[in-house]
Amino acid sequence: GAVVSQHPSWVICKSGTSVKIECRSLDFQATTMFWYRQFPKQSLMLMATSNEGSKATYEQGVEKDKFLINHASLTLSTLTVTSAHPEDSSFYICSARDGAGAGNTIYFGEGSWLTVV
Amino acid sequence: GENVEQHPSTLSVQEGDSAVIKCTYSDSASNYFPWYKQELGKGPQLIIDIRSNVGEKKDQRIAVTLNKTAKHFSLHITETQPEDSAVYFCAALNPPSGNTGKLIFGQGTTLQVKP
Repeated sequence: GAVVSQHPSWVICKSGTSVKIECRSLDFQATTMFWYRQFPKQSLMLMATSNEGSKATYEQGVEKDKFLINHASLTLSTLTVTSAHPEDSSFYICSARDGAGAGNTIYFGEGSWLTVV
Repeated sequence: GENVEQHPSTLSVQEGDSAVIKCTYSDSASNYFPWYKQELGKGPQLIIDIRSNVGEKKDQRIAVTLNKTAKHFSLHITETQPEDSAVYFCAALNPPSGNTGKLIFGQGTTLQVKP
C-alpha cells in the first residue's frame, strides 16, 4: 500500500519552545493531508485539514496560532506546535489522501510522540 | 454531521476463532468506509475498505460487509492469530466527495486473541 512517512517519530522538548513535525507521502501526491491528536486509549481526534497551497481548516476548539500547519507541496505537510506546554504532550498522527484511481483512500503515518518537559 | 458508532469496545477471542466488529453510521450520503488496525504506539494501518457500490469485500482472512439500507458495516476476521491483537477503528468519509471529505472514526475496538 501507499506509504506516508512522519518525522520525527518521537521528540522531547522544553516548555516554551516550538516543535515541527513533518508528514510526507512517499509514492503518491496528496492533495489533502490531515492532522490528528490521540490520547491514550482513545480514538483519533481530527485537528485540521490541509489542502496543498491553501490555508488549513481547523476543527472547532483547535488553536490555529498554536498548531501551525503548512502544506507547501503535494507530498509534504508540516505541523508546528508553538510555545509548547506539558499539556501538549501527545501522540500526533498525520494522514494523506490519495486521490488517484478510485480516489479517497487515506493512509496514515506512523505517528509522532511529543513530550514537553 | 456524520456520526459513527462502533461495537464492541473490547473483544476477546481464542486463536482460530472468528472476530466480528460492527459499525453504524448516520449520514446515508457517506460512500467510503475504511477499517484501520492500530498497534500500540503506531499509526493506524489501512487493512481493508469498501465503497458503497458493493456489499462485500474480502482479502484473505479479512472481509467487510456493508448494508446501505441499515447504514451499518462490519469487519470479519477469520482464523484469528495472536498478531491480530490490536485496536481496530472503522470510519466513514463525510462529505463523500471532493477535497473537503474527512474521516469520521468510530470509538475503536480492542481485540485480544488468546493463544
